[in-house]
Amino acid sequence: AQSVAQPEDQVNVAEGNPLTVKCTYSVSGNPYLFWYVQYPNRGLQFLLKYITGDNLVKGSYGFEAEFNKSQTSFHLKKPSALVSDSALYFCAVSFFPGFQKLVFGTGTRLLVSP
Amino acid sequence: DAGVIQSPRHEVTEMGQEVTLRCKPISGHNSLFWYRQTMMRGLELLIYFNNNVPIDDSGMPEDRFSAKMPNASFSTLKIQPSEPRDSAVYFCASSSPKEVEAFFGQGTRLTVV
Repeated sequence: AQSVAQPEDQVNVAEGNPLTVKCTYSVSGNPYLFWYVQYPNRGLQFLLKYITGDNLVKGSYGFEAEFNKSQTSFHLKKPSALVSDSALYFCAVSFFPGFQKLVFGTGTRLLVSP
Repeated sequence: DAGVIQSPRHEVTEMGQEVTLRCKPISGHNSLFWYRQTMMRGLELLIYFNNNVPIDDSGMPEDRFSAKMPNASFSTLKIQPSEPRDSAVYFCASSSPKEVEAFFGQGTRLTVV
């Protein structure tokens, strides 16, 4: 079955430290991969995507993600975390590019402490 | 563009009443999605349309739920009759083949009492 997994419910990191939010996927064929962020009482905001090409993708607010086909992973990273990065992060995968149907992971709450 | 616009932002209704949620996608987008978010089940895809045609409604929980897209700029999600377990935040999103990623509205928080 096609799916995406976020193994951590919560990630805690101190401000200024690097952060990683993990995502793995299971799909036949080539996936399109996405990261979204959700702040309290808001909709989901697009951060970045991997379609093809360079495995390291840079996105909004200093975030980046690395596509690793052999490990079927697409981890979200940031070199230096900010308190304002605290939010809920969702990984998503699209299996049908023609229709852009997105399947989301369960989300990971990121808490950045001052 | 103003983004995906959903209305109302909040809805409180009594069990058994009909509820209609509305969505205006981004102009030029040809795919539209309805998602539901709850603490217990996370983010669930209910239905999505492509070029105003429903493609996959396998996520619609019951016959009480129905969705329409009469034209490229408007969609509705209707629940009739509503039940307390329908309480959730309902998101609409749209996308285009060019951009691929979906853009989400602010959501409608539905409370059924």
